[in-house]
Amino acid sequence: AQTVTQSQPEMSVQEAETVTLSCTYDTSENNYYLFWYKQPPSRQMILVIRQEAYKQQNATENRFSVNFQKAAKSFSLKISDSQLGDTAMYFCAFFLQGGSEKLVFGKGMKLTVNP
Amino acid sequence: GAGVSQSPRYKVTKRGQDVALRCDPISGHVSLYWYRQALGQGPEFLTYFNYEAQQDKSGLPNDRFSAERPEGSISTLTIQRTEQRDSAMYRCASSLYGGGADEQFFGPGTRLTVL
Repeated sequence: AQTVTQSQPEMSVQEAETVTLSCTYDTSENNYYLFWYKQPPSRQMILVIRQEAYKQQNATENRFSVNFQKAAKSFSLKISDSQLGDTAMYFCAFFLQGGSEKLVFGKGMKLTVNP
Repeated sequence: GAGVSQSPRYKVTKRGQDVALRCDPISGHVSLYWYRQALGQGPEFLTYFNYEAQQDKSGLPNDRFSAERPEGSISTLTIQRTEQRDSAMYRCASSLYGGGADEQFFGPGTRLTVL
């Protein structure tokens, strides 16, 4: 079974600074996807960024980028130029392609951006 | 519709009562998923459908939980003889065809409280 671990329960950062959220996962498979989801105080679940395991290039979406280390099974999220609206819970998630069609989530990390 | 909708948004019930939670996916989306999210945790997979077929129900905690999607669109998650431990946010998600390449769009959730 796949597992996802987010070891930092909480972080805070000053507005405009850069912050990195860590995530590790465990799988013996090769074909999978990794995701970061954001859950603001409104409790919506919003996709931030996605990484295909077969791609060596790290995904980027505007201020959000990932550092995907497949051998180390590590998938960190970097948020540049943090904004107050980035304050949220962040969940790392794993999806096994060709297996059970489910996202496996970590426990989440609470990020607070301070003015 | 514009997004995934769920009803009711909040449900308070007494222990032992049955509840039915409804999910209306994005129009045309083939795959529909149910997750449960306890406070302070990441969502946990319950079950998923492709069209009207329930493909995986391995995440349903016990036989008090059931789900259906009879016409391949709206889905209902039913919990019989509710218990206090069933209290959680129940989230529905849909994707166009399933698979990791397709984004899962989440609904706002139903907050269930069992007294």
